[in-house]
Amino acid sequence: GDSVTQMEGPVTLSEEAFLTINCTYTATGYPSLFWYVQYPGEGLQLLLKATKADDKGSNKGFEATYRKETTSFHLEKGSVQVSDSAVYFCALSGAQAGTALIFGKGTTLSVSS
Amino acid sequence: KAGVTQTPRYLIKTRGQQVTLSCSPISGHRSVSWYQQTPGQGLQFLFEYFSETQRNKGNFPGRFSGRQFSNSRSEMNVSTLELGDSALYLCASSGTDFSYEQYFGPGTRLTVT
Repeated sequence: GDSVTQMEGPVTLSEEAFLTINCTYTATGYPSLFWYVQYPGEGLQLLLKATKADDKGSNKGFEATYRKETTSFHLEKGSVQVSDSAVYFCALSGAQAGTALIFGKGTTLSVSS
Repeated sequence: KAGVTQTPRYLIKTRGQQVTLSCSPISGHRSVSWYQQTPGQGLQFLFEYFSETQRNKGNFPGRFSGRQFSNSRSEMNVSTLELGDSALYLCASSGTDFSYEQYFGPGTRLTVT
């Protein structure tokens, strides 16, 4: 079945450092790919999305490119802030699971000043 | 536009009891999905309702059920609660017939003792 694998955390960075969180997927067909973020005590917020190969999703300085050849959707940000500290989830939808979102395990990011 | 709302936010129940959780989607959204989030299993899809019909279902026992009303509000019911049902239950809504972009509520934290 469909699955998402993302790098284990926690990831600890200093403010203004470069961030990469790796995400790879296994799916039949052509899924849509997403990054969600969860702040402590809250639900999930959609951070960015890409619906077809070579699409780049971007929002709030975060970017991710849908790479079909490597089945990857890595999240990047050039300069992280303390306020970016949260748990980040990579997810896919639209393949074998249909409308259901299939999530990775999540990566905790901690940014210190 | 108001976001997805879930009630109650916190709930404590005893093993063997049943519980009903409520979700109001974003105005105009007709699809509502439910997810369970636990530290061990991560985020898992429970089911999705669209226009009062269950359109998709995850791999959960029959103790977990749901329904959707004509105003798109949805309820989720868990009968014969087990300790392992303690989790954050998240509701998400999406806006078009087969949109894979979902918007989440803050969740209901269920504790089973």
